[in-house]
Amino acid sequence: NAGVMQNPRHLVRRRGQEARLRCSPMKGHSHVYWYRQLPEEGLKFMVYLQKENIIDESGMPKERFSAEFPKEGPSILRIQQVVRGDSAAYFCASSPLTGMTEAFFGQGTRLTVV
Amino acid sequence: AQSVTQLGSHVSVSEGALVLLRCNYSSSVPPYLFWYVQYPNQGLQLLLKYTSAATLVKGINGFEAEFKKSETSFHLTKPSAHMSDAAEYFCAVSPRGGSNYKLTFGKGTLLTVNP
Repeated sequence: NAGVMQNPRHLVRRRGQEARLRCSPMKGHSHVYWYRQLPEEGLKFMVYLQKENIIDESGMPKERFSAEFPKEGPSILRIQQVVRGDSAAYFCASSPLTGMTEAFFGQGTRLTVV
Repeated sequence: AQSVTQLGSHVSVSEGALVLLRCNYSSSVPPYLFWYVQYPNQGLQLLLKYTSAATLVKGINGFEAEFKKSETSFHLTKPSAHMSDAAEYFCAVSPRGGSNYKLTFGKGTLLTVNP
């Protein structure tokens, strides 16, 4: 059973471009969570999704950020018109039921905006 | 709102010495508690978690943590440090109720192990 797969592992974007981060949950997991790790800080919750539904996006910036988890395929975190402050590590976690007690994290995508 | 404080952003120990990483939390009711380890440019790996019952929790790689409600603490220990333990360690909490998917993390403690 493969773990939570995130790709790409490293992503470089110029200011103003779009960034798409992908997360394939573990087999049998239908709950996906995205967290962001800014330099020198701990991780912060961004969004919680189930298949085709956004359950809680209270941690998402109001503009430029969106997330989806379609019926088929990976969850996508999309950042439009990236700015330098978006440079961070973005981690995805998945679980078979709601909650983090049985969740596993992926290796993360490190986004650098130049 | 929940919060987590990790005392000491950087802890340095000698190989074979005791490792003690401190974590205090603030929560209106006892939460779920977690310790994660992050190696350079890697993801988060769960070391251990406290969900209920036993207050002394054993995890992987010889680590353990004790939940002390009276002190609102969940300190991480390992009797004898190994070079491979060098990494960053994060303490985290989540509520037991409806928002149990929202982890609140501390800022992390970087552990250095000296030969």
